[in-house]
Amino acid sequence: DAGVIQSPRHEVTEMGQEVTLRCKPISGHDYLFWYRQTMMRGLELLIYFNNNVPIDDSGMPEDRFSAKMPNASFSTLKIQPSEPRDSAVYFCASSLAPAGVATNEKLFFGSGTQLSVL
Amino acid sequence: TQLLEQSPQFLSIQEGENLTVYCNSSSVFSSLQWYRQEPGEGPVLLVTVVTGGEVKKLKRLTFQFGDARKDSSLHITAAQTGDTGLYLCAGVAGGYNKLIFGAGTRLAVHP
Repeated sequence: DAGVIQSPRHEVTEMGQEVTLRCKPISGHDYLFWYRQTMMRGLELLIYFNNNVPIDDSGMPEDRFSAKMPNASFSTLKIQPSEPRDSAVYFCASSLAPAGVATNEKLFFGSGTQLSVL
Repeated sequence: TQLLEQSPQFLSIQEGENLTVYCNSSSVFSSLQWYRQEPGEGPVLLVTVVTGGEVKKLKRLTFQFGDARKDSSLHITAAQTGDTGLYLCAGVAGGYNKLIFGAGTRLAVHP
């Protein structure tokens, strides 16, 4: 079984450039989540989708961030323009049901994208 | 302010020692999950606890959910170098429909 697949694994870009992170969830999972992890703030939920529809984007830092899920097997997180403070590891995760809400339902995480904005 | 406070932030011990890490909140959670994250990888679920006072064991790891469902602990007996990693607790608070993570406890077990 292929897990959640994220690309690229590493991204180094210059301030002001557009960055696009990609995610392929586990087939059959109805929920997709984007998290950001930093040493200072830990793992923060940015946005999540249910059946390709954005449900809660209250964690998206500002208008420079946008996420889409055009179909059940693909999602993107875009940052434009990027800033040094966006440097972090970005994780995509998927689940069959809202993890933690349904008993024993869990999140399956990808390996993350390490983003460095210079 | 973190909804879930984890302590300690860092823990460095020798192989064979016992340890306990904590996850606390002022909010009531319908369930709490513990994940372990290794460098360069995403978190992986270890256990879910759902009933106040519940205790679950996973080999040398013992997880407890507080009676009031506001806190949880993870105890590791006879730690091994393979236990090294970032331990994260995560939960769904009342009124929310999403999983919130604590900042984690970074554990280093030395041979």
